[in-house]
Amino acid sequence: DMKVTQMPRYLIKRMGENVLLECGQDMSHETMYWYRQDPGLGLQLIYISYDVDSNSEGDIPKGYRVSRKKREHFSLILDSAKTNQTSVYFCASSLSRLGGRNAEQFFGPGTRLTVL
Amino acid sequence: TQTVSQSDAHVTVFEGDSVELRCNYSYGGSIYLSWYIQHHGHGLQFLLKYYSGNPVVQGVNGFEAEFSKSDSSFHLRKASVHWSDSAVYFCAVSAGYAQGLTFGLGTRVSVFP
Repeated sequence: DMKVTQMPRYLIKRMGENVLLECGQDMSHETMYWYRQDPGLGLQLIYISYDVDSNSEGDIPKGYRVSRKKREHFSLILDSAKTNQTSVYFCASSLSRLGGRNAEQFFGPGTRLTVL
Repeated sequence: TQTVSQSDAHVTVFEGDSVELRCNYSYGGSIYLSWYIQHHGHGLQFLLKYYSGNPVVQGVNGFEAEFSKSDSSFHLRKASVHWSDSAVYFCAVSAGYAQGLTFGLGTRVSVFP
């Protein structure tokens, strides 16, 4: 069953705490992504990972870092979370780098993060 | 840098009506275009894509989209909507390899019986 999973689904943290969002996929996809979704701003790309330990900044990487030690797992880390990082975070994966015929992205269900 | 514009924030239709959702993009080179649907409280699901070839592409659940290079558009259409088509629809573009998707702000479609 082709699936992208995200844990946790809901998270409340205090400002300054560290946050770990986890994403998994069972499709052996090379490329994985983290986006955040905010009202009025749509989805914005935070980071891309092309494979294990091969990561690249997206459009809004500031305040975030990522880790990919296994092809099927991609983590988003917020060191010392800020209130403006309250958002819904989506992980996605695709078979190959975008531009090719197999570039459809599969999205997880999202993690709703609230930073108080 | 590529940009995406979805001119309608909200569209209301009745079941059985046709619907067209507009998407315009700006980018000078080869481009990859796609549409995604997001039901309330869920992640995005892929509907269809265009990269090259026939400018009219068919997607899932009766959706189709037409690419126009002259108009820089990739409008999504469905001939007869169902209540389950109520969702937010996102147009997305990518300039090619090694880049993520740039999304429009979305169009919310409300289908009434």
